[in-house]
Amino acid sequence: GQSLEQPSEVTAVEGAIVQINCTYQTSGFYGLSWYQQHDGGAPTFLSYNALDGLEETGRFSSFLSRSDSYGYLLLQELQMKDSASYFCAVRDNSGGYQKVTFGTGTKLQVIP
Amino acid sequence: DAGVTQSPTHLIKTRGQQVTLRCSPISGHKSVSWYQQVLGQGPQFIFQYYEKEERGRGNFPDRFSARQFPNYSSELNVNALLLGDSALYLCASSLAMGAYEQYFGPGTRLTVT
Repeated sequence: GQSLEQPSEVTAVEGAIVQINCTYQTSGFYGLSWYQQHDGGAPTFLSYNALDGLEETGRFSSFLSRSDSYGYLLLQELQMKDSASYFCAVRDNSGGYQKVTFGTGTKLQVIP
Repeated sequence: DAGVTQSPTHLIKTRGQQVTLRCSPISGHKSVSWYQQVLGQGPQFIFQYYEKEERGRGNFPDRFSARQFPNYSSELNVNALLLGDSALYLCASSLAMGAYEQYFGPGTRLTVT
């Protein structure tokens, strides 16, 4: 089956850089996505990696290593509004069906 | 353009009852996926529909079913409700089946008593 591991909580200072790691086990891997979810809100898409390497979108970057089954989300110039839960999600094809499996989430707290 | 809409926003049901949740995708999006999110956990994949056909299924019992209509809106049905079905049910739309960027609706908060 599929499984993803990410840290449950991370605390960082405003203006700093934080990295949230994600390791996964799956078959028929297509790609790794990252989503942000504020308390009481819906998940919002941040980035997607299908190939090895770094993808940059503004203050957010995401990295993937398929050989290591590992990825990370990098948040730079942290702002208070970045306090939220961050989920990695794997898209794979197992049993003939495509499915998306989310991790349990990392709660990021940005402090002044 | 309107985002993904879901109805109702909140719902309270009794054990054993049946519930229908509704979702309208973003205009032009042909794929709808349903997720269940329990407090403190990540969304769990229930179904994906594309062009009115089921294209993906998660590990949920047969009490859960869904369908997609010609206008690409979708319904999720849950029969014989259990207390453990209490959760936030999220609908996500995407352009096509393999599209990786999903847009989530605000969710329906289901409470089973």
